[in-house]
Amino acid sequence: QQQVKQSPQSLIVQKGGISIINCAYENTAFDYFPWYQQFPGKGPALLIAIRPDVSEKKEGRFTISFNKSAKQFSLHIMDSQPGDSATYFCAASTSRTGRRALTFGSGTRLQVQP
Amino acid sequence: DAGITQSPRYKITETGRQVTLMCHQTWSHSYMFWYRQDLGHGLRLIYYSAAADITDKGEVPDGYVVSRSKTENFPLTLESATRSQTSVYFCASSDLGGGRETQYFGPGTRLLVL
Repeated sequence: QQQVKQSPQSLIVQKGGISIINCAYENTAFDYFPWYQQFPGKGPALLIAIRPDVSEKKEGRFTISFNKSAKQFSLHIMDSQPGDSATYFCAASTSRTGRRALTFGSGTRLQVQP
Repeated sequence: DAGITQSPRYKITETGRQVTLMCHQTWSHSYMFWYRQDLGHGLRLIYYSAAADITDKGEVPDGYVVSRSKTENFPLTLESATRSQTSVYFCASSDLGGGRETQYFGPGTRLLVL
């Protein structure tokens, strides 16, 4: 059972454009929603994260939009740059159990063309 | 500042052999995790540990064994490797608590089982 569904699988954007990646979750116990960025041959690294008490969080060119009622959240990359070309994973976790592990989406490969 | 390291970085083995992947972190984080990354599946949790001598199964634990005798080390053992265990394995650690949720990932181990 895939608890976090991510789309699209791949995305090609022109330099300066907006990249949008969407995720939907099923488990209403999730209370932490991070996005991770992964470059080839590297481990994932935290990009930005949000909690369900806010609807939007912005850090530089990266924005998370969160819709609790729809159980959806998305990553927007403004003014996309070739250096943003990477694989992006949404994830979710809950603090209600001792597990605290992340449930990941399947990933989106972003290519920003110069 | 070594952070979190994994060894070996690459490993080729044969079916039926035992393989141990090492993970070491220098932050004294309480939580450690093992994920596997496969195309189309994102990262899936194999095992996690909340503290030394406390481990528990994740989403895909079959065929794997973990131990955590010291806070800084979290080895993952494939008792009898199978071709389906060909994957990229990531170790992560986190100092969960007080609102801190970030998981820090190692560089990964690419395992090929022939």
